[in-house]
Amino acid sequence: EAGVAQSPRYKIIEKRQSVAFWCNPISGHATLYWYQQILGQGPKLLIQFQNNGVVDDSQLPKDRFSAERLKGVDSTLKIQPAKLEDSAVYLCASSRSGLGDSPLHFGNGTRLTVT
Amino acid sequence: GESVGLHLPTLSVQEGDNSIINCAYSNSASDYFIWYKQESGKGPQFIIDIRSNMDKRQGQRVTVLLNKTVKHLSLQIAATQPGDSAVYFCAEKSRDSNYQLIWGAGTKLIIKP
Repeated sequence: EAGVAQSPRYKIIEKRQSVAFWCNPISGHATLYWYQQILGQGPKLLIQFQNNGVVDDSQLPKDRFSAERLKGVDSTLKIQPAKLEDSAVYLCASSRSGLGDSPLHFGNGTRLTVT
Repeated sequence: GESVGLHLPTLSVQEGDNSIINCAYSNSASDYFIWYKQESGKGPQFIIDIRSNMDKRQGQRVTVLLNKTVKHLSLQIAATQPGDSAVYFCAEKSRDSNYQLIWGAGTKLIIKP
């Protein structure tokens, strides 16, 4: 079974620029998540999709972050404009369902550096 | 608020010895627990999970123990190998948090040769 694919692996941008990340989840996984991880900390949920609908985006800074999963498979996360504090690793994860005993499987993330 | 935390930020273990990584949680309603391993430059990797109706579950070289009385979770790694070096996170889900993963801060496991 192929894992969660993410691209790019690294991105360096200047503040106020925009950036987009792409994620392809494990085939058949209905639930897709975007997390932000600061070095040394656990991941922080940004947004959760169930198929192509948003389940939880309560921690997504909607003034600058947006995400979509139009066909219920791939997803993109965009930041516009970026701030210095957005420097982090952005992880995509998927699971068969969003319910209790359904573990999340993560991609290797995109490391974003904002200068 | 509810949280999941780890007792030790760093654990050094001799290669070949057993490792025990501990985790305390505060939400007694949590019904599902997961251990993840995160190597440098990679995403968290699922290791093992356990439901709240169990107190022990074994995998390949790993065992998870759940003590609901004291709200404690542990991950035991048998015969620790250099490839086990990573940061280990415990995480929990509960119905009252809409099954969102709540993460601990992570324990860094260092293997001494």
